[in-house]
Amino acid sequence: DADVTQTPRNRITKTGKRIMLECSQTKGHDRMYWYRQDPGLGLQLIYYSFDVKDINKGEISDGYSVSRQAQAKFSLSLESAIPNQTALYFCATSEDNTGELFFGEGSRLTVL
Amino acid sequence: GDSVTQMEGPVTLSEEAFLTINCTYTATGYPSLFWYVQYPGEGLQLLLKATKADDKGSNKGFEATYRKETTSFHLEKGSVQVSDSAVYFCALIKAAGNKLTFGGGTRVLVKP
Repeated sequence: DADVTQTPRNRITKTGKRIMLECSQTKGHDRMYWYRQDPGLGLQLIYYSFDVKDINKGEISDGYSVSRQAQAKFSLSLESAIPNQTALYFCATSEDNTGELFFGEGSRLTVL
Repeated sequence: GDSVTQMEGPVTLSEEAFLTINCTYTATGYPSLFWYVQYPGEGLQLLLKATKADDKGSNKGFEATYRKETTSFHLEKGSVQVSDSAVYFCALIKAAGNKLTFGGGTRVLVKP
């Protein structure tokens, strides 16, 4: 089983719908991240959390919210999806601030 | 702010060819530098890293040297295989930083 698991792996939805992407990890790491990947733009950080009571905005947090339900779980929500949120979303974890991240396999979201 | 610039792809090569992917960065202080690789359908995984000037990171036949004088961290492999087809991301983290800054990614396609 993967150490960092994302669900769903693929989702097609309509404009205005609420969407939740879930991430769970078995690595025992305190730090968790949500990234968005668009072709040619690399990865952009949406939100990050260094423990259950810590939530921080990243570069592109507008239109997104997160919840850290437990050390192992970090979910990303789109309250009202719009087409330009169509992208590949990655969850990642890290043990410390040395820069080594462990990524999930990604959740591909299409907003029509 | 901090930034990472990579050569745009796609880079198409034949098996056993020499691969170079250029990466330059802008950052104050002394960041740590990374190459991550994303194989088709998977999340990113750390390929190699270097934490100080003149360090050479290496893994799976890939190498990159931290060049502070040219603010570069170019990735090289002497003889690529079809299995090296992937997207490669250069990234940095500041010594006192909390998050990685990624370049835009370079897609590499190796043909038999």
